[in-house]
Amino acid sequence: QQPVQSPQAVILREGEDAVINCSSSKALYSVHWYRQKHGEAPIFLMILLKGGEQKGHDKISASFNEKKQQSSLYLTASQLSYSGTYFCGTGNSGNTPLVFGKGTRLSVIA
Amino acid sequence: DVKVTQSSRYLVKRTGEKVFLECVQDMDHENMFWYRQDPGLGLRLIYFSYDVKMKEKGDIPEGYSVSREKKERFSLILESASTNQTSMYLCASSLCRKGGQGCFDTEAFFGQGTRLTVV
Repeated sequence: QQPVQSPQAVILREGEDAVINCSSSKALYSVHWYRQKHGEAPIFLMILLKGGEQKGHDKISASFNEKKQQSSLYLTASQLSYSGTYFCGTGNSGNTPLVFGKGTRLSVIA
Repeated sequence: DVKVTQSSRYLVKRTGEKVFLECVQDMDHENMFWYRQDPGLGLRLIYFSYDVKMKEKGDIPEGYSVSREKKERFSLILESASTNQTSMYLCASSLCRKGGQGCFDTEAFFGQGTRLTVV
């Protein structure tokens, strides 16, 4: 069952912050985040494996609330290069593949 | 540099044709996947494989089959192409991280995609 991402789309000005949410109706073991630019392959951003785990990379970070079965991706002081579609992928247990959400289209304008 | 290579970027086929989409990875990954990407629907899993000669159905396997005879190669087959199979097809691979409950996916590496048009 696909995780639900929100919002579906967001437009930001450079320097603004954004939050993308990903929630699942099933218990989660892991959450993956990917970004896909137009015409390109999705690129891995980060994996969160434990409840309450937070990870960061430059000005992009994420949290994982295992109890609420959800994860959030935080983009701080957005740059033009952050534009793209962000996907979360959720893993429920071993020997089951990731299930991806429908994506959140992020557009950063000058 | 890690690489997942899909045989074609663009493909145009006629309805009823048998279509082969090839994917090769050079990272010695156990896990390989085929996704279909359509606007507004995200990445939907067609088939996956956690080992050579092993294959499992994903969420939308109807009309497709796969083959994994070698670890590095995972082929998607459209037995009789139809217009509703016009889409972007993405192949991915990942390492298997073994845990108490079996194999868990690590970072996935995606190919550039094949845009298939069935006319």
